Amino acid sequence: EAAVTQSPRNKVAVTGGKVTLSCNQTNNHNNMYWYRQDTGHGLRLIHYSYGAGSTEKGDIPDGYKASRPSQENFSLILELATPSQTSVYFCASGDRGGRDQDTQYFGPGTRLLVL
Amino acid sequence: GDSVTQTEGLVTVTEGLPVKLNCTYQTTYLTIAFFWYVQYLNEAPQVLLKSSTDNKRTEHQGFHATLHKSSSSFHLQKSSAQLSDSALYYCALSDNYNQGKLIFGQGTKLSIKP
Repeated sequence: EAAVTQSPRNKVAVTGGKVTLSCNQTNNHNNMYWYRQDTGHGLRLIHYSYGAGSTEKGDIPDGYKASRPSQENFSLILELATPSQTSVYFCASGDRGGRDQDTQYFGPGTRLLVL
Repeated sequence: GDSVTQTEGLVTVTEGLPVKLNCTYQTTYLTIAFFWYVQYLNEAPQVLLKSSTDNKRTEHQGFHATLHKSSSSFHLQKSSAQLSDSALYYCALSDNYNQGKLIFGQGTKLSIKP
């Protein structure tokens, strides 16, 4: 069973509209991450969280907000979507301790097209 | 801060020949672990190898990598490429400063031709 799931898997949005991307993990990991992936740029960190109620800015947070209402769920919010936010978005979870220390496990991704 | 460098954007190898993907790093912090992630077309990145020990060879799915702190490198190798190895490969590291965040390289696309 997939331990990190994302919804929706595909999304078409209009410029100026609000978009919410959702992520759920059953790994019981404390940390969760949102990345975007664009050709030529690799994986870029947008926001991350250390646990329920916490959100931190990553390397490219402008234009994005994040919400972590529970251990399992982490959302990425585009309040005013722009065409430059057209991308593939990946959520990941990970933990600092244990045998899998710092290993991140990725969800299947969401393809977002902003028209 | 930290940085990870993958010098080749695209590596093309003939099936059956060896593969080597380069990864070097710079860090001002104590490193925790080094990773190779593989991403097949239209799939998510998944961890391929992980290492924390200097000069120890780590192997998985026919690939191997050895962390060499003396040269700040963690190159990925395979002795005989298969068509199914075609994918995007990322090198990454974690340290004691970034609290679980991974520092990724830009990625290398590996293309295996018949």
